[in-house]
Amino acid sequence: DAGVTQSPTHLIKTRGQQVTLRCSPISGHKSVSWYQQVLGQGPQFIFQYYEKEERGRGNFPDRFSARQFPNYSSELNVNALLLGDSALYLCASSLGSWANEQYFGPGTRLTVT
Amino acid sequence: KQEVTQIPAALSVPEGENLVLNCSFTDSAIYNLQWFRQDPGKGLTSLLLIQSSQREQTSGRLNASLDKSSGRSTLYIAASQPGDSATYLCAVGLYNNNDMRFGAGTRLTVKP
Repeated sequence: DAGVTQSPTHLIKTRGQQVTLRCSPISGHKSVSWYQQVLGQGPQFIFQYYEKEERGRGNFPDRFSARQFPNYSSELNVNALLLGDSALYLCASSLGSWANEQYFGPGTRLTVT
Repeated sequence: KQEVTQIPAALSVPEGENLVLNCSFTDSAIYNLQWFRQDPGKGLTSLLLIQSSQREQTSGRLNASLDKSSGRSTLYIAASQPGDSATYLCAVGLYNNNDMRFGAGTRLTVKP
């Protein structure tokens, strides 16, 4: 079975631009969570979606938004990019909305210049 | 506010040694704790998941324990190998907001 997939692998954007990152969960998983990992730190929670509804939101500005589609895949959008948005963006899927094991994808490396 | 701390930040050991990685958290209201491995520039690989009602989990050479009352978890790696070299992260699952709170990780190097 395929694991969590994310696209693109790497991305370079300029300050002020907008970016969309994509994630496909493990087949049968209905929950997708997004995390931002800055170099040298642990991942920080951005959003969780379950059954196409937002179930959790971390301490990130409104420039960050996400959605989940009927096939449970998800997109993370970041507007008005800042240099500080440069990070590894990780997607995780799980069976249920909470208390389940999280499975992570390989991540998307975003560089903002 | 839940804070997760991992000590040490980095650890270097010779091959074959048994070792313990530590994780502490400030709020015992967690529903689970998960240990992950991360290779440089890569995603996270789940190693062990301990539900809040459990005390420990084992998988091969790995054993993780959880003491909610003291806010501590340990990951024990037996007979370490160079292939175990990676960053090990612990994360606690929170009841509110459905998020997981991560520590900064322990960077492990196992020397041949």
